[in-house]
Order: sequence, then structure tokens, then C-alpha cells
Amino acid sequence: ETGVTQTPRHLVMGMTNKKSLKCEQHLGHNAMYWYKQSAKKPLELMFVYNFKEQTENNSVPSRFSPECPNSSHLFLHLHTLQPEDSALYLCASSRYPWTGKETQYFGPGTRLLVL
Amino acid sequence: GQQLNQSPQSMFIQEGEDVSMNCTSSSIFNTWLWYKQDPGEGPVLLIALYKAGELTSNGRLTAQFGITRKDSFLNISASIPSDVGIYFCAGLFNAGNNRKLIWGLGTSLAVNP
Repeated sequence: ETGVTQTPRHLVMGMTNKKSLKCEQHLGHNAMYWYKQSAKKPLELMFVYNFKEQTENNSVPSRFSPECPNSSHLFLHLHTLQPEDSALYLCASSRYPWTGKETQYFGPGTRLLVL
Repeated sequence: GQQLNQSPQSMFIQEGEDVSMNCTSSSIFNTWLWYKQDPGEGPVLLIALYKAGELTSNGRLTAQFGITRKDSFLNISASIPSDVGIYFCAGLFNAGNNRKLIWGLGTSLAVNP
């Protein structure tokens, strides 16, 4: 049972395609996050949003474009991706921007394959 | 930069056995977190540790924040089949305005009923 949903759960796209990942949280939280989970690598934080404002961008390539229209929704727009971008993309939320005390709640992820 | 060494990488045990896994680093952390990720799901927080030496339990799970602040361990007692999954440690590095959560690579646990 999770208060964070992600769609689609699986996505296959070509390098020239444009697609979007969607995340929605039903927990009334104010902070949302995008993570990338690749095999044999630690979880990588990509973006952080607090009250719809982006507060962190961890040197993510511009082919990943986040959008946060409100505190409940977070999108990740994808265009001209590379095969090495294939990974599980996880969305998370927390009541306040994460300082170590607030629990982050993760969605189930979108499994992305770039051909 | 900060790195976490999580071990073992994988474990295959019999139901009922106890399990122990740990994370170590050459860096000092302010907070240690332990998560579990089931197949097809995102990580779920199991235990959070905030002080050196802290020992915290959550059911059959027990975790400790190492005295040196450079390590943490997670024990699972009397394992059951639903304990199967990947367990991640994460350490918070917090120095002034620089705050970063470092993740381990995970310990994959398989339980033979």
C-alpha cells in the first residue's frame, strides 16, 4: 500500500522519442523527488521540489526535464535519451524537504528501457 | 566523496535463521537509514537512527548506529519468506548547508522456506 503512484510502470522508448513519467502523491506532502536506480549503482537523487519550486538538480542532463505543477504531481519529461538512461525511475515525497528527520515515501517506480 | 560499503551483497538463508548485514564508510554520518525494497516496488523505510550508539528495533528487525558514526548494522531475527527483498542502508552527511544522502548498493536476501 503506497500513497505515491507512478505511471506508466513500464516504458520502452527509442532514442528519438519524447515521453513523460508521472508521479502523484496522496499524502499531502510538500516535497517531491525523482531518483534513478540502476543496477550495481547507488540510488541517485536527480531533482528535488519543495512547494512546487525546484530546489535541487544534481547535474542531471538536460534531456531529463522535470515539471511540478502542484505539490501533488511531479512529471519527468524525457527526450532524446540514451541507452544508458535505461533504469528504474523512482518518485518519492516527504512532508517537508528532507533534512534527515522526515520519512521519504517512494512510489513503485517506472522501469524504462531505451532502445 | 562519501561512499558506503554494504555487505554482504547477497544472502541465501533458511527460514528461521537470523540475518546480519552492515554498512561501513570512511566518512562520518549524522543519520543512518535502513530500507527494504520488494520486487516491483519502491524502497520502504524500516528503521531510522539519529545518534551514535543508538539501537532501535522494529519487530524482528534491529539496527544500530555505530559508535564511530562510520557504520551501521541491521539484524533480522527468525527470518520468514516475506523477508525476501533488497535491503539498503543510507547515510546522511550533513555539514552546514551541505546535506547529502548516500546509499549503499543493497543486500539481496533470499529465504528458503
